[in-house]
Amino acid sequence: GESVGLHLPTLSVQEGDNSIINCAYSNSASDYFIWYKQESGKGPQFIIDIRSNMDKRQGQRVTVLLNKTVKHLSLQIAATQPGDSAVYFCAENGGWGTDKLIFGTGTRLQVFP
Amino acid sequence: EPEVTQTPSHQVTQMGQEVILRCVPISNHLYFYWYRQILGQKVEFLVSFYNNEISEKSEIFDDQFSVERPDGSNFTLKIRSTKLEDSAMYFCASGDRGNQPQHFGDGTRLSIL
Repeated sequence: GESVGLHLPTLSVQEGDNSIINCAYSNSASDYFIWYKQESGKGPQFIIDIRSNMDKRQGQRVTVLLNKTVKHLSLQIAATQPGDSAVYFCAENGGWGTDKLIFGTGTRLQVFP
Repeated sequence: EPEVTQTPSHQVTQMGQEVILRCVPISNHLYFYWYRQILGQKVEFLVSFYNNEISEKSEIFDDQFSVERPDGSNFTLKIRSTKLEDSAMYFCASGDRGNQPQHFGDGTRLSIL
C-alpha cells in the first residue's frame, strides 16, 4: 500500500517564552536517550542526551527530563528564539548492548516574533 | 567544529542501477552508522559499523546493501540494485564510543526513477 506521511505535532511559541517538547518512548529497556534538532534540508543536530541513571540533565538553555516510570522524555528550551524553529526528535537506544537509535516521530517547533 | 560530510547531496539513479553513497566521518570517531528517512517519515536505523565489521543491522539492510570503510577516512553505503522504494534521504553518523552522541551529516537525497 501507499505510505502515508507523518503529521507532525506542532508547537507554536512566542519568542522569549519557554518551550516544552514531549516524547513517549517505546522500550522500557532503553538506557540512553538523545534529542536532536533537524532544520530543513539538514541532518539531525545533537542537542542533549541523558542516561537512564539520571532524571534530569541541563545544557545551555536546554533541559532534558526523563521519567522512566511512564516512559516519558521532555525537552525544555528556555527563552525560545526564532533560530530554534525546527523539527525536534527524541531517540532511544533500545537497551543494553545496542547503540542503534530508534527515533520518534518528531515535533515541529514554530517560534513567532 | 568537526563535522560529518556526505557526498553527493543529491543522487538520481535509474531503478536497477548500483549506487554508492559516501561519507567522511569525524576523524577520531570509531563508530559509524547509516540511517535513512523516507519523505515525511521517521529516521530509521540501517546499520552500525565498528572495528571494520558490521555490529548491527536492521531488517531494511538486506543483501542489496553493503557498507565499507575503504580507507582511514571514508565510509560508504552501496545499494546493488536500486528499487523505487529506496528513494529516501540517507544519513551517515559517527560517534567516538557506543551510546555516545551520534553526529549526523546533512544527508544524501537518493531519487530512484
